[in-house]
Parts: sequence; structure tokens; C-alpha cells
Amino acid sequence: DSGVTQTPKHLITATGQRVTLRCSPRSGDLSVYWYQQSLDQGLQFLIQYYNGEERAKGNILERFSAQQFPDLHSELNLSSLELGDSALYFCASSVGSGSPYEQYFGPGTRLTVT
Amino acid sequence: AQKITQTQPGMFVQEKEAVTLDCTYDTSDPSYGLFWYKQPSSGEMIFLIYQGSYDQQNATEGRYSLNFQKARKSANLVISASQLGDSAMYFCAMREGASGTYKYIFGTGTRLKVLA
Repeated sequence: DSGVTQTPKHLITATGQRVTLRCSPRSGDLSVYWYQQSLDQGLQFLIQYYNGEERAKGNILERFSAQQFPDLHSELNLSSLELGDSALYFCASSVGSGSPYEQYFGPGTRLTVT
Repeated sequence: AQKITQTQPGMFVQEKEAVTLDCTYDTSDPSYGLFWYKQPSSGEMIFLIYQGSYDQQNATEGRYSLNFQKARKSANLVISASQLGDSAMYFCAMREGASGTYKYIFGTGTRLKVLA
């Protein structure tokens, strides 16, 4: 158990809908990272927050947005969902912004868009 | 061009033997980091080992070591004394960019099967 929690574990929704994925980092970690793992794209870095502020941006679609709240939990919002958004979404956390070797992953949220 | 290349989609190794998983990378940043992660069939991602671009020594963590050859831009993972529980997908990843604008790029993975 990495100490990173993600909810829900599974999510099934229809095309065009909007969903919110939630992540709670390990106690004491200030950075949260979001990743998408799909069969055709592999593991893709989406975005990083550090202590409430966006720090790095990867291949995140405009239909997706994220935020980190004062209690450090983070949410990833996916809207206008398409079939291709079906994937495993991971959240990871680390102590700092510049110490990625301490990045710990949550168990993931499996999103299925039908 | 692929920034992280893992050329072995699948590997077999006999229990108790050592195995090397290949990874080559491409970056023009002088400062970068290289990682290996393990993903068992249960799906979680487990951090294994990290190598910084300025680190002089190869990283080691228990049975895992990273064979870092900077000039060749390779960062191969060596697992010694393989165990059945090592059967999993292994991903090589790179962090590049300046502090505050890091980006993380993952390879396509190598599926390792340890044989009894």
C-alpha cells in the first residue's frame, strides 16, 4: 500500500458525460501527478500540482482539467467523454516538486466510456 | 521520435537468474532523471529505482541496479536472482525539463515472465 488513495476504483459512463476522479496523496506529500494509461497510448503524464499550484503539464486534453485543494487532495475532471478516454488513470504523489524519485502511485481508477 | 525506447516487448528468465531490461532515451536537457517502475498484473505502479543524469555511480536498490551509460543514452535495469514475484510489466521513464516544468515520459514497457 503506497498510501495514495484514489476513488472511485471503477467508473463506467457514457460518451458525452463528465466525471471527476479523486486522489488523496500520502501524508506529508505536497505534489500530485496525474497519468493516463491506455492500451494504445501507453502511460502518459497529464499534469502535476504542487501545494495547490500547477507545476507541469503533459499531454492533457483541453476537455480535461485538474486542481489541487488546500487539503492537498486533487481532482481530475474529464468532460465530453469519448470512447478513447477509456483508460486507467493513476495519481501519484511525492514530497516535493523536484524529488520525483519519491513518486508513489495510487491504485488507479479504471474508466470505461461506453 | 521516441524519447524512451524499450525494445523488448517480452522477456523470459529462469528463477534465480539475472535479467537485463533495456532502455534507451533521448533528450537534449543536461539535467534529467531516469526511473524504472514495475506494474504487476494487479495494476498498481511500483517505483523501483532512480538515476539522476549527474549521478556518477549506478543506482542500486536491493536486487535492482541501473546500468547507466550516459554516452550511449541507455539506462538498463538489471534484476539479480529473479523471483517468481518479479513477473510483471516494467516501465522505463524519464523526467526532463527544468524544476517547475518537469515532464515525464514513459516507455512502452517490457513484460517479464520468471519461469520456475
